[in-house]
Amino acid sequence: DAKTTQPTSMDCAEGRAANLPCNHSTISGNEYVYWYRQIHSQGPQYIIHGLKNNETNEMASLIITEDRKSSTLILPHATLRDTAVYYCIVRVWQTGANNLFFGTGTRLTVIP
Amino acid sequence: EAGVAQSPRYKIIEKRQSVAFWCNPISGHATLYWYQQILGQGPKLLIQFQNNGVVDDSQLPKDRFSAERLKGVDSTLKIQPAKLEDSAVYLCASRLLAGALAYEQYFGPGTRLTVT
Repeated sequence: DAKTTQPTSMDCAEGRAANLPCNHSTISGNEYVYWYRQIHSQGPQYIIHGLKNNETNEMASLIITEDRKSSTLILPHATLRDTAVYYCIVRVWQTGANNLFFGTGTRLTVIP
Repeated sequence: EAGVAQSPRYKIIEKRQSVAFWCNPISGHATLYWYQQILGQGPKLLIQFQNNGVVDDSQLPKDRFSAERLKGVDSTLKIQPAKLEDSAVYLCASRLLAGALAYEQYFGPGTRLTVT
């Protein structure tokens, strides 16, 4: 699986958009980009995933560059409850072994 | 929909003792995972089951760790004997096996193990 690089930590003002970058320069054509987050003392929570098109759901938007070497997770209006560690994971999706390889992620702190 | 249940939430044991963790996945989820998360690190996969069969246990320290999922539903993870470096949060996750919507894993709250 391709490796990912994320900033160790970021701050964001409450109500503003939080833009979390991820570099995955060695991504291959059949690898998806997944984002999970982990709020303190909880298990990780799925946010969104994409292959090459931009994606949006009720939680966030995922912007993937045309060359797929990097992506950005956007939380449009950050709240205090969005304070968490955000993991960017690149993985081939398959029906069999589909475990996730987590790095150390980005610790996002939303400031009142 | 009920989430992934785990128990106990916290456990403190002395080194060389044994400990067991229990996981009940979301109903209908055929795939079950156990992860170990050491403080300050991301979760690391220990073992993956599909129904009651093991798909991947390459990262499981088999000299002391064991896991089973006898009826393809609940699972237990055991450590015997425990070492200090086993102090971590043990996370259970499950995933719906088939279909285009089977991308995400659902995680339980974890069991925090402290080995003294």
